[in-house]
Amino acid sequence: DAKTTQPTSMDCAEGRAANLPCNHSTISGNEYVYWYRQIHSQGPQYIIHGLKNNETNEMASLIITEDRKSSTLILPHATLRDTAVYYCIVRGINQGGKLIFGQGTELSVKP
Amino acid sequence: DAGITQSPRHKVTETGTPVTLRCHQTENHRYMYWYRQDPGHGLRLIHYSYGVKDTDKGEVSDGYSVSRSKTEDFLLTLESATSSQTSVYFCAIKVVAEGNEQFFGPGTRLTVL
Repeated sequence: DAKTTQPTSMDCAEGRAANLPCNHSTISGNEYVYWYRQIHSQGPQYIIHGLKNNETNEMASLIITEDRKSSTLILPHATLRDTAVYYCIVRGINQGGKLIFGQGTELSVKP
Repeated sequence: DAGITQSPRHKVTETGTPVTLRCHQTENHRYMYWYRQDPGHGLRLIHYSYGVKDTDKGEVSDGYSVSRSKTEDFLLTLESATSSQTSVYFCAIKVVAEGNEQFFGPGTRLTVL
């Protein structure tokens, strides 16, 4: 599975868009990009995933560059409850589809 | 929450004692996973299961065993707990669909004294 690189931490003002970058320059053609988040003391929560097209759901948008070497998770109107660690994961279909979690980005949404 | 529960939610035990953690799901998913989470290490896969009686090792399986005798339950056993196994343990299921996303349980906080 490809390795990902994310900033260790980011701040965002409440009500603003939070843009969380992820670098995955070694991604291969059949690997998806997944985003999860973990709010303190809770289990990780699935947010969104994509292969090569941009995706949007009720939680967030995922923008994947044309060469697929990086992506950005966008929370359009961040709230205090979005304060969490955000994990970008790249995964293919192998070994039962296990997820390899890196260190993630600690997002702090401030009033 | 994809119908996932974990029990117990908290446990304190002593070194050398056996411990079993239970993950229960209500939606008949085939794939189930056990992860542990420690400061500085993120989440690491211990074992996973791809069906009843079908299990395989993850990246940190030493000292752990698992069993899956029925679809809804995935048990994680520490045969002889050690202090290094103090951790938060998360169970997950995989929804077999286009994205194969995983959904996690609430976690079990285990302390081995």
